[in-house]
Amino acid sequence: TQLLEQSPQFLSIQEGENLTVYCNSSSVFSSLQWYRQEPGEGPVLLVTVVTGGEVKKLKRLTFQFGDARKDSSLHITAAQPGDTGLYLCAGVSRGSTLGRLYFGRGTQLTVWP
Amino acid sequence: DAGITQSPRHKVTETGTPVTLRCHQTENHRYMYWYRQDPGHGLRLIHYSYGVKDTDKGEVSDGYSVSRSKTEDFLLTLESATSSQTSVYFCATGRVDTAFYGYTFGSGTRLTVV
Repeated sequence: TQLLEQSPQFLSIQEGENLTVYCNSSSVFSSLQWYRQEPGEGPVLLVTVVTGGEVKKLKRLTFQFGDARKDSSLHITAAQPGDTGLYLCAGVSRGSTLGRLYFGRGTQLTVWP
Repeated sequence: DAGITQSPRHKVTETGTPVTLRCHQTENHRYMYWYRQDPGHGLRLIHYSYGVKDTDKGEVSDGYSVSRSKTEDFLLTLESATSSQTSVYFCATGRVDTAFYGYTFGSGTRLTVV
């Protein structure tokens, strides 16, 4: 059973377009994180959101945590080829072992010049 | 060197042989994890450790064992490798005290079982 569902699984867009990736669950999370992974490397942490309704911005990336802490979204404005990669959401489920992360299956983003 | 080092980076082994993958960290993080990453399945937790000699199973632990004799090193052993264990294996460390600050991942080990 996948605790976190990501959509879409694949996204192929042109440079300059905007996009949104979704991460949904029926479970409540104490915190939720977004990672980006490039080929041949391990995932790298982009952001952690903790409070329901929280919005964080990282340059052209905007992350939002749902009010009920069951979902999150990643919005990229004016995508660039350097944004290409696998985006993973991951959460600490409320009541589970602190430090135990559950991962979504990821969204593979390709941005064409 | 700072961070997390996984060794080897690539390995090809035969079915039925034991294989040990090593993860070394200089972060001094208490928590360490082994994941495997496969197309269509994402990252799945094999085992994790919350301190020296303290380990627990993840969701796909069958056929794997781990050991942690000191803070810096976390070993993953495939007791008798099978083709279904062909995968990319990632080690991660986690900084956890009163809150959880996220994982730092190694660069992975690509294991092929033939």
